[in-house]
Amino acid sequence: DIQMTQSPSSLSASVGDRVTITCRASQSISMYLNWYQQKPGKAPKLLIYAASILQSGVPSRFTGSGSGTDFTLTISSLQPEDFATYYCQQSHNSPLTFGGGTKVEIK
Amino acid sequence: QVQLVQSGAEVKKPGTSVKVSCKASGNSLTELSMHWLRQAPGKGLEWMGGFDPEHGDTIYAQKFQGRVTMTEDTSTDTAYMELTRLRSDDTAVYYCAIAVKRRCFDPWGLGTLVTVSS
Repeated sequence: DIQMTQSPSSLSASVGDRVTITCRASQSISMYLNWYQQKPGKAPKLLIYAASILQSGVPSRFTGSGSGTDFTLTISSLQPEDFATYYCQQSHNSPLTFGGGTKVEIK
Repeated sequence: QVQLVQSGAEVKKPGTSVKVSCKASGNSLTELSMHWLRQAPGKGLEWMGGFDPEHGDTIYAQKFQGRVTMTEDTSTDTAYMELTRLRSDDTAVYYCAIAVKRRCFDPWGLGTLVTVSS
């Protein structure tokens, strides 16, 4: 199975901050990497697929990059509604696997 | 736009089974690739399995092989996930979700809480 490792597991940031979350795969997954946002008590929401393609309706302050084993999700200017937990997911091989999540909290 | 409506919360005893439903609206289930995932309380996301259109079959995570069955009733556009021999660590919110664009998931159902407790 492909292991997905996210870092950090949590971070504190202020509104307006630039935030970067990383995700590392245990083997190359090309660009088969997706990012989700989850708020408490809610289902995850797809933000970015294929490493860098913004899902329709997602604000442009979210960007994804990377290929192979190392990927990044960046929020250019953190907004109040962005405080949530973020997950990466590889879709290269079954079983499809997720990172452990990064909780973005208010500083 | 596809919407997924899941069945309500369940409380089950260890050793029994649970069957969760997920009704799709806005598209026929025959046009969708339905998957099931779960999230234990305070934990991350775990993929259980789903329909693989490349092979025309349902694939399951090895962890759940032999305990999970995913079926579809195309007459009602409803998908089902049955998990047997329940244990306390099966307590989780179970989500149905549609796989799109090379197996990312969108949309998701709202989730069904299954509590396994004696």
